Amino acid sequence: GQQLNQSPQSMFIQEGEDVSMNCTSSSIFNTWLWYKQDPGEGPVLLIALYKAGELTSNGRLTAQFGITRKDSFLNISASIPSDVGIYFCAGRSGGSNYKLTFGKGTLLTVNP
Amino acid sequence: DAGITQSPRHKVTETGTPVTLRCHQTENHRYMYWYRQDPGHGLRLIHYSYGVKDTDKGEVSDGYSVSRSKTEDFLLTLESATSSQTSVYFCAISGADEQYFGPGTRLTVT
Repeated sequence: GQQLNQSPQSMFIQEGEDVSMNCTSSSIFNTWLWYKQDPGEGPVLLIALYKAGELTSNGRLTAQFGITRKDSFLNISASIPSDVGIYFCAGRSGGSNYKLTFGKGTLLTVNP
Repeated sequence: DAGITQSPRHKVTETGTPVTLRCHQTENHRYMYWYRQDPGHGLRLIHYSYGVKDTDKGEVSDGYSVSRSKTEDFLLTLESATSSQTSVYFCAISGADEQYFGPGTRLTVT
């Protein structure tokens, strides 16, 4: 089946630093989604991308849909302690009853 | 927040007992999904539904069954729970591309 490679697996940064993480796939996706999960809670949708080359922002978060449709990245600018959590990418290919393929997540730790 | 609730939120059960988890939505979305989340594996799809009484298997469906008799409810049943089914279970809903997740059920099988 399809697989998403998400990197890095974990990051430890200082408050105020910028963060970048990415996902790559061997298959083409029509949609890329980025989620954040806090401990003990369900994933929350941060950004959705629908078109190759699309660049979308949500506050301090910016995500891009790769031109090849096989990758996506998420940037967080000026990190703050509440950015701590696990970030997941997810991709959807066509005609799949809207099923998603998920990356294994990036654990972000922010040191105040 | 999307209107999704899961019940129970926590459950401890013994090996061999049946367990049913419930997902309830107030969004009238067509698609509903059950995932399990385990360390090192991320989110894995168990079963999904594309309409009332329309369901299909995901990648880790063995040992699980589902039912959807109403748009708003999607039930996940473990007919005879095993220790390997100890996990956190998430329900998700979608009308199209974007999936929204419930708060999760932490299940421990002893």
